Amino acid sequence: AQSVTQPDIHITVSEGASLELRCNYSYGATPYLFWYVQSPGQGLQLLLKYFSGDTLVQGIKGFEAEFKRSQSSFNLRKPSVHWSDAAEYFCAVGAMTGGGNKLTFGTGTQLKVEL
Amino acid sequence: DAGVIQSPRHEVTEMGQEVTLRCKPISGHNSLFWYRQTMMRGLELLIYFNNNVPIDDSGMPEDRFSAKMPNASFSTLKIQPSEPRDSAVYFCASSLEVGGARTDTQYFGPGTRLTVL
Repeated sequence: AQSVTQPDIHITVSEGASLELRCNYSYGATPYLFWYVQSPGQGLQLLLKYFSGDTLVQGIKGFEAEFKRSQSSFNLRKPSVHWSDAAEYFCAVGAMTGGGNKLTFGTGTQLKVEL
Repeated sequence: DAGVIQSPRHEVTEMGQEVTLRCKPISGHNSLFWYRQTMMRGLELLIYFNNNVPIDDSGMPEDRFSAKMPNASFSTLKIQPSEPRDSAVYFCASSLEVGGARTDTQYFGPGTRLTVL
């Protein structure tokens, strides 16, 4: 069975600083990887996804993530954080089953942005 | 597009009562997922449907939980009887699977916050 580890529960960065959120996955085949963001009281919004091809994936809101098979990682990055990026971020790995893409989520990383 | 619609957004009920959560997926999507989010367990997949058929309900915690999808535009998650430990945020998500291509993205609704007293 697949699993996802997000080792950082909370991260605080200053506005304008760079950001990297860590994600490690466990999956027996080629993974399908996602990053979602959840603002307070809201549902999850897809930031970016990796299925195949270029290991550096660009997403919305200036985010990017790099798939590193050798490290089983899919870390999320942003060169300059904005105060509006404060939210909870979830990494997920997808497993194709008979009816669709079954996602397993990490426990999330809560991002706080200091002004 | 209206996105995934869930109702109610908030539900407060007493232990032992029946609770029904509703979801309208994005029009044209053929897969629907129900998740539960708690502080202790994070996001858990409860059940998902493809073309209105339940494919995997291994995440449903117990017999008190049931889900139906009578047509492509509506699904319900029912808890009967409800218990305080069922308090959580319940999300519905939908996606479009095209010809087995693994490119389907799940789009989430805003969730229903359930409190069982």
